[in-house]
Amino acid sequence: EAQVTQNPRYLITVTGKKLTVTCSQNMNHEYMSWYRQDPGLGLRQIYYSMNVEVTDKGDVPEGYKVSRKEKRNFPLILESPSPNQTSLYFCASSPYPVRGEDGYTFGSGTRLTVV
Amino acid sequence: EDQVTQSPEALRLQEGESSSLNCSYTVSGLRGLFWYRQDPGKGPEFLFTLYSAGEEKEKERLKATLTKKESFLHITAPKPEDSATYLCAPTDDKVIFGPGTSLSVIP
Repeated sequence: EAQVTQNPRYLITVTGKKLTVTCSQNMNHEYMSWYRQDPGLGLRQIYYSMNVEVTDKGDVPEGYKVSRKEKRNFPLILESPSPNQTSLYFCASSPYPVRGEDGYTFGSGTRLTVV
Repeated sequence: EDQVTQSPEALRLQEGESSSLNCSYTVSGLRGLFWYRQDPGKGPEFLFTLYSAGEEKEKERLKATLTKKESFLHITAPKPEDSATYLCAPTDDKVIFGPGTSLSVIP
């Protein structure tokens, strides 16, 4: 089954404790992206990657890092999480960044709480 | 600045009561517009891509249309399982997601 897999689904952590949210896709997509979703603010892009070793900032990159060492994986790293990073996070992938008959395929989400 | 708004913010319909959701955008150089459905606690699910004004696409009870400044998602005779948040996302060199319309269909 074609899918984007995120782990973990839920995570509660403390301020300052480094964490990684993993994302993997099995569709051989070139483009991958991370979003956060907050009430009233909608989906905001954190980082994206056009291909292996090619990453760039989205609209809200502060406090996050990413890497794209393999085509299928695109982990999101929070080096020193803070409470304002409490949010619902989604990874997405697509053959193309802005066009395509199939749109983006999203993961099931990671609900992160930083206390 | 590129902007997208959706209205209404929330919509409550009786089963079988048809209606429309609106997506208004100001995007220079529109390359396409996506519609997604999102169930609570889940990732958005792709519905349609529209590329040019006048284009229409249908899927079951949903029909999406596109003009130069707006897109509409028409829902005909909705059922409770159509309850979800519907997101539109116009694109130029990036995808811009709207805030969504939360639809509730009451049996």
